[in-house]
Amino acid sequence: QKEVEQNSGPLSVPEGAIASLNCTYSDRGSQSFFWYRQYSGKSPELIMSIYSNGDKEDGRFTAQLNKASQYVSLLIRDSQPSDSATYLCAVTGTGNQFYFGTGTSLTVIP
Amino acid sequence: EAQVTQNPRYLITVTGKKLTVTCSQNMNHEYMSWYRQDPGLGLRQIYYSMNVEVTDKGDVPEGYKVSRKEKRNFPLILESPSPNQTSLYFCASSLQGNEQFFGPGTRLTVL
Repeated sequence: QKEVEQNSGPLSVPEGAIASLNCTYSDRGSQSFFWYRQYSGKSPELIMSIYSNGDKEDGRFTAQLNKASQYVSLLIRDSQPSDSATYLCAVTGTGNQFYFGTGTSLTVIP
Repeated sequence: EAQVTQNPRYLITVTGKKLTVTCSQNMNHEYMSWYRQDPGLGLRQIYYSMNVEVTDKGDVPEGYKVSRKEKRNFPLILESPSPNQTSLYFCASSLQGNEQFFGPGTRLTVL
């Protein structure tokens, strides 16, 4: 059973602060890593993908991957109330199967 | 507009009555997948398809069937639904099994 673990939260940060979301995975063979955002009652929306060790930045979002530690994180800079959502970490296993964490609920307080 | 569509969006049915949830994408994506989302359990993959006529089991395939006769369509079939299949279902597609785009979801209740 492949596992993807996330802190369920809720994580609360003030507006303008940095939100840090973490994810660990159990399958050392995982090659692709994704962060999705899901607003209440809506479908998941892709925010970031990362495939190699290190940092990947896109606007206010930075994904960090450390395959040796089996750890992937998402940093949200200058957090806005509109960032309040559940953030899902996803990794691929062998055979193009996807595994999702249960999500971290983020609230950005104005 | 590039999108993944699912129908119906809401469905209430009774135990044992066969049903099909349709999924269609207009992005010429190779990869399509079905997930169910349950509180506390997150998104779990039911089935996925890398291409036409190629389907594979995900984590929770029991009680479900799929087919991929055309690239754009990937229907989910519940031959004999049971109450434990009450859930929120998402269809997703991606170019080659990487960044996935999700449909709007189908909320299924089995009485």
